[in-house]
Amino acid sequence: GDSVTQTEGQVALSEEDFLTIHCNYSASGYPALFWYVQYPGEGPQFLFRASRDKEKGSSRGFEATYDKGTTSFHLRKASVQESDSAVYYCALGGFRGSALGRLHFGAGTQLIVIP
Amino acid sequence: EAAVTQSPRNKVTVTGGNVTLSCRQTNSHNYMYWYRQDTGHGLRLIHYSYGAGNLQIGDVPDGYKATRTTQEDFFLLLELASPSQTSLYFCASSDGGGNYAEQFFGPGTRLTVL
Repeated sequence: GDSVTQTEGQVALSEEDFLTIHCNYSASGYPALFWYVQYPGEGPQFLFRASRDKEKGSSRGFEATYDKGTTSFHLRKASVQESDSAVYYCALGGFRGSALGRLHFGAGTQLIVIP
Repeated sequence: EAAVTQSPRNKVTVTGGNVTLSCRQTNSHNYMYWYRQDTGHGLRLIHYSYGAGNLQIGDVPDGYKATRTTQEDFFLLLELASPSQTSLYFCASSDGGGNYAEQFFGPGTRLTVL
């Protein structure tokens, strides 16, 4: 079935470091891919999405490029700030039959930015 | 902007207890969802609905019932709560059933089953 894998459970960086959080997916066709962010004490919130090969999604300095060849949608940011500390979720949009309308979330990656 | 509210925000019950979690969205979204969030598992879908009276089963439905009474209201029922259901529960809504729809989440309900 459709699934998403985030390999890092936690990432610790210093301010101004470069961030990469890895996301790989398993699905046939062209599912939409999403990044969500969850700040402490809040519900997850949509960051951005991409829906076709080579499309770049971006928001708030974060970006990711849909790569069907490597089945990846890695999150990157050039210079992180302490305020970026949060949990980041990669998700895949269900697009077939009974999977319509639902998202498959990865396990999440906690980002800790040390000032 | 979508508004999703949940009540209660915190709930403590005992094993075997009966619990109802409530969710309301005020943006006329068709789809509503219930998730549980646990360390190491991320967000797992319990049940979802695409309209009043409709119910779809998610990935971890055992021990949970749900009911969508109106377009705005979606309830999660735990009729015989167990300690394994101690978790943070999120409700979400979206305005489309397709591949691309963004989901809007509520603030969460923390449930503890003693």
